[in-house]
Amino acid sequence: DAMVIQNPRYQVTQFGKPVTLSCSQTLNHNVMYWYQQKSSQAPKLLFHYYDKDFNNEAYTPDNFQSRRPNTSFCFLDIRSPGLGDAAMYLCATSSGQGGRETQYFGPGTRLLVL
Amino acid sequence: GDSVTQMEGPVTLSEEAFLTINCTYTATGYPSLFWYVQYPGEGLQLLLKATKADDKGSNKGFEATYRKETTSFHLEKGSVQVSDSAVYFCALSSQGGSEKLVFGKGTKLTVNP
Repeated sequence: DAMVIQNPRYQVTQFGKPVTLSCSQTLNHNVMYWYQQKSSQAPKLLFHYYDKDFNNEAYTPDNFQSRRPNTSFCFLDIRSPGLGDAAMYLCATSSGQGGRETQYFGPGTRLLVL
Repeated sequence: GDSVTQMEGPVTLSEEAFLTINCTYTATGYPSLFWYVQYPGEGLQLLLKATKADDKGSNKGFEATYRKETTSFHLEKGSVQVSDSAVYFCALSSQGGSEKLVFGKGTKLTVNP
């Protein structure tokens, strides 16, 4: 089945130690998204790629970066994680055909910062 | 800007009870509307969607109808099960090239046996 895969499902890091979260997709979708979701809240969009075009939300801290080396893979880099960055990180994709599209989510990576 | 307002809950029901979770939206033009479900510790799964007025989305016994006149997309199920316990998010995606989903705050549903 075509899907969105996130690894690892759980990630533990230390305060200030860089961490990378991974996402891959077999849907061949043009758009890939990264969301941050804290407990009992809706997902919050951090940024998205339309093909290789990077779109950052104005409120996303500089501490968060992303890379998309090819269509299938997208990475979230947190350069110096703080305690407040502990959250579920969700990757999603959409086909990208002019808005109103369905987004398909991966299972998420839960990040713990010690 | 676009927004989604949904009943926040939490909602607690007994098995086989009728479920309604209200969702209303504000958007320009004709957005697509979605219900996503999130089981504990998991990502979001698309439950159902509707792309134009009067469309009814349905899946796993859940239904929602796109009502443009009332700007609503209420989620209903006639008989809930314990396995339906989850958080439900209403969301919209606008036309016009934006690739963003606008989410409601989510409604936690607990179904007791």
